Amino acid sequence: GEDVEQSLFLSVREGDSSVINCTYTDSSSTYLYWYKQEPGAGLQLLTYIFSNMDMKQDQRLTVLLNKKDKHLSLRIADTQTGDSAIYFCAEKGNTGKLIFGQGTTLQVKP
Amino acid sequence: DSGVTQTPKHLITATGQRVTLRCSPRSGDLSVYWYQQSLDQGLQFLIQYYNGEERAKGNILERFSAQQFPDLHSELNLSSLELGDSALYFCASSPNTGDTEAFFGQGTRLTVV
Repeated sequence: GEDVEQSLFLSVREGDSSVINCTYTDSSSTYLYWYKQEPGAGLQLLTYIFSNMDMKQDQRLTVLLNKKDKHLSLRIADTQTGDSAIYFCAEKGNTGKLIFGQGTTLQVKP
Repeated sequence: DSGVTQTPKHLITATGQRVTLRCSPRSGDLSVYWYQQSLDQGLQFLIQYYNGEERAKGNILERFSAQQFPDLHSELNLSSLELGDSALYFCASSPNTGDTEAFFGQGTRLTVV
């Protein structure tokens, strides 16, 4: 079946790195995604990684994929207060639908 | 701005009523997806339409239905509303079905009282 799990909460200090973890079950997933949702806002695609890649870096964001363990992580370097939001991990199932995790609330303390 | 437009932004209605949520996909996108975000269920896929045809179905209740019109906009109809239907309903669109990215609208917040 398709299932995505994330830890629910992470608190870091401004300037530190944040690492948000996610595990998934569907080994046939072709793409894995990180979305950001700010309070009262929609879902913003942050980055995605193709399943045959191990790592993808995009400015302050680094995505690591361990396909053997079905583990995905998002590292945010130099975390800022503006990074406070809910971060969703998602895998792409068949037909293109996204299966989302529960979301990790990132709290950045000044 | 993702290019996906959802209306209305907010909706308050009573139990037992019926509402229609509207989604205009990005120009040229043939696929439309509907998702429900609630406190207890998280973000759940409801249904997908591709070029007017139903393509995939998720955890959509029988009281809910959707359609995609020839101009590619989509509507999600929710009937016999219950308190538990209160949620944020998102629409997303993509050019086809196997695309890398889907673009999300801002959502419609439905409150059932």
